Amino acid sequence: NAGVMQNPRHLVRRRGQEARLRCSPMKGHSHVYWYRQLPEEGLKFMVYLQKENIIDESGMPKERFSAEFPKEGPSILRIQQVVRGDSAAYFCASSPENLLSGITYEQYFGPGTRLTVT
Amino acid sequence: GENVEQHPSTLSVQEGDSAVIKCTYSDSASNYFPWYKQELGKRPQLIIDIRSNVGEKKDQRIAVTLNKTAKHFSLHITETQPEDSAVYFCAARLDTGFQKLVFGTGTRLLVSP
Repeated sequence: NAGVMQNPRHLVRRRGQEARLRCSPMKGHSHVYWYRQLPEEGLKFMVYLQKENIIDESGMPKERFSAEFPKEGPSILRIQQVVRGDSAAYFCASSPENLLSGITYEQYFGPGTRLTVT
Repeated sequence: GENVEQHPSTLSVQEGDSAVIKCTYSDSASNYFPWYKQELGKRPQLIIDIRSNVGEKKDQRIAVTLNKTAKHFSLHITETQPEDSAVYFCAARLDTGFQKLVFGTGTRLLVSP
């Protein structure tokens, strides 16, 4: 069972360009979470998605950031008009759903995408 | 919202010693508390977790304790080894239907041979 996959692993963008980060959850997982980790800091929640739905985007900056998890294909985190402050590691995590309770617990992280804005 | 504090920020021990990392949380509705280990440049890896209906959980050399009344939980590593050196993050999950994890700021553990 392959783990959570993210690509690209490293992404360099110039200021003003767009960054697209992709995340494929573990097989059988329908819940996806995006977290951002600034250098030497902890992980900050950004957005929580299920297939075709954004459940919680309370950690997303109001502008330039968007996320989707289409019916087919990976989840995508998009950052428009990147600025130097967007440089960070972006981690995706996925979790299974407990069909009895609807509650999930364990979140498994992907290897991350390290975004550098020059 | 939920806030998780973690101490210490750095911890240096000799190989074979025990290490303890402590976290406190603010929202009494939190019901799930995982611990992650992150090596330099790598992904966070779940090493142990505890749910609010349990006070203690062990897995070989690691254990986690939870005090719901005081709203704090701790990670205990016994017989530390150099490969335990990493950054450890605690986290808490709110029982609100929104299932995001709120992370502590991390503890850098250094185990010297």
